[in-house]
Amino acid sequence: NAGVTQTPKFQVLKTGQSMTLQCAQDMNHEYMSWYRQDPGMGLRLIHYSVGAGITDQGEVPNGYNVSRSTTEDFPLRLLSAAPSQTSVYFCASSAGVGITGELFFGEGSRLTVL
Amino acid sequence: GNSVTQMEGPVTLSEEAFLTINCTYTATGYPSLFWYVQYPGEGLQLLLKATKADDKGSNKGFEATYRKETTSFHLEKGSVQVSDSAVYFCALGPDYGGATNKLIFGTGTLLAVQP
Repeated sequence: NAGVTQTPKFQVLKTGQSMTLQCAQDMNHEYMSWYRQDPGMGLRLIHYSVGAGITDQGEVPNGYNVSRSTTEDFPLRLLSAAPSQTSVYFCASSAGVGITGELFFGEGSRLTVL
Repeated sequence: GNSVTQMEGPVTLSEEAFLTINCTYTATGYPSLFWYVQYPGEGLQLLLKATKADDKGSNKGFEATYRKETTSFHLEKGSVQVSDSAVYFCALGPDYGGATNKLIFGTGTLLAVQP
């Protein structure tokens, strides 16, 4: 069972470079989201999507773009990386919208911006 | 806005000790409450949940009761094992009938269990 797959697992960038973190899920989940995890701050929501073609901003969207062209994929783009974006990024998906809110997480992508 | 506060760690216990990790929340409506666990090098996974007041979530010997009167959802386990060493996150879900699954996470509590 693949679940939620994130690539790459590790990445080092220089300030100003761009990159895309990939996220794919094979559970036919409608809801997908990106979180960043920083020490002492827990997880903070960056962007989310409730279905193909629909995206919205979370708590900390600045510096990140997303798109949702298919149900399976939800890539996160950094157009011009900054040291403040050094973090561990998690993609998460959920079967539907509503009160249960159970999320399935990928293993994370550790990004370092020099 | 809605928020979650959980006790700071690290929490260091000996094997077979009793565990409590405190979690309180601020919310409008009747949100669902969750505990997620993150083992070293892995993503978060759901440990237990409760969707209404007085519900008790339980899994793998862990329990938490949704207390609306004290706005709390404390995590407990009667006898911890070394394999329970991980970071534990309390999370607040959408209010009843909410249109998204956005979760608000606490800052996480590191539990270290020594043999």
